[in-house]
Amino acid sequence: DTGVSQDPRHKITKRGQNVTFRCDPISEHNRLYWYRQTLGQGPEFLTYFQNEAQLEKSRLLSDRFSAERPKGSFSTLEIQRTEQGDSAMYLCASSQSSAGETQYFGPGTRLLVL
Amino acid sequence: AQSVTQPDIHITVSEGASLELRCNYSYGATPYLFWYVQSPGQGLQLLLKYFSGDTLVQGIKGFEAEFKRSQSSFNLRKPSVHWSDAAEYFCAVIGSGAAGNKLTFGGGTRVLVKP
Repeated sequence: DTGVSQDPRHKITKRGQNVTFRCDPISEHNRLYWYRQTLGQGPEFLTYFQNEAQLEKSRLLSDRFSAERPKGSFSTLEIQRTEQGDSAMYLCASSQSSAGETQYFGPGTRLLVL
Repeated sequence: AQSVTQPDIHITVSEGASLELRCNYSYGATPYLFWYVQSPGQGLQLLLKYFSGDTLVQGIKGFEAEFKRSQSSFNLRKPSVHWSDAAEYFCAVIGSGAAGNKLTFGGGTRVLVKP
């Protein structure tokens, strides 16, 4: 069990650029979640997948954000036309579906938009 | 909608002293409750969880938490703090049914440990 991995760990970009983050979940987990954490706050839910299906999206996920999990394994989160307000830590978690399942988190991708 | 409140933003404790972090939740049915710890620049590590049964839950690193339905609380405790416990601690709840399986987190409590 190698845990949840995320790439890159850090990203600095200029306002208006597009960025893409990748998450590799624990291999046998069928659920994958994205959260966003701003400085001094708890993580906030963005979206989640069960296998390749995106089942729920937060209203925080504006139309500049898109997430995919094409083969039910790894997932990508893309932010188009980045804004300074997008600067945050983006966390990925995975779990095996069950009642009240435990979500295991990756190390996160820290995004800074200049 | 479910919510979690962690009333203490910062707590400073001396090494070897006891620690208690408060967590209050709002949820209409029986919640699933979690405590996670986050070291600087890192992701979240699960300390313990409550699903049902015994209301006193044991976790890793010597932590425990007690679920009190009457008080809507799930406070985290450790009898003797080590310097390595300095971190940020998050309480979280999962709903069921329409709320899905997303975690709702509190704002966190930052723990500082004095030598």
